[in-house]
Amino acid sequence: ETGVTQTPRHLVMGMTNKKSLKCEQHLGHNAMYWYKQSAKKPLELMFVYSLEERVENNSVPSRFSPECPNSSHLFLHLHTLQPEDSALYLCASSQDSGVAEQFFGPGTRLTVL
Amino acid sequence: EDQVTQSPEALRLQEGESSSLNCSYTVSGLRGLFWYRQDPGKGPEFLFTLYSAGEEKEKERLKATLTKKESFLHITAPKPEDSATYLCAVQARTGNQFYFGTGTSLTVIP
Repeated sequence: ETGVTQTPRHLVMGMTNKKSLKCEQHLGHNAMYWYKQSAKKPLELMFVYSLEERVENNSVPSRFSPECPNSSHLFLHLHTLQPEDSALYLCASSQDSGVAEQFFGPGTRLTVL
Repeated sequence: EDQVTQSPEALRLQEGESSSLNCSYTVSGLRGLFWYRQDPGKGPEFLFTLYSAGEEKEKERLKATLTKKESFLHITAPKPEDSATYLCAVQARTGNQFYFGTGTSLTVIP
């Protein structure tokens, strides 16, 4: 595997389900990010991790819970989501959280019924 | 309020017809401005980083420029494979915030 990978690629869940999104980067980077991409809206930065420590949390509802067990892996735990949470969730990594280009994974297309 | 505005929202060009995409921004201190390309069903792909007014970067048929208020992505003699959504993002000098625009959807017709 190379670059940034995300699993699953597609996820359909009910409002009472609990699921997790997984991201893995094979680039040796120190910073990882979760973004939400909705139609006709800008990418929304949700969480930033630098060296496994959360450094940014943009007022994201508590039904989204990130976890970064090491510098290569990032999870987004989902529970009791709402239909408006349906979107493409993108993971990215960069060398560090300073000025550095981000490398994105292919995303997980989430549908909440 | 920090924000990024891209125009036009959509652009259709004939193959070989050069044009420019615009990204205007307001941010309290610019650390960097980024251009990305996004194909349908894929994550954004990094193109350029610009740091200061007057800076230019080139890659194949693409050239990015930066002023104090906006950035342009110039596409010279585009080909159908250049069809994609082009995203602009800025990073503020303080904190770890990245602000993205809504993108310009480019279609190049053979």
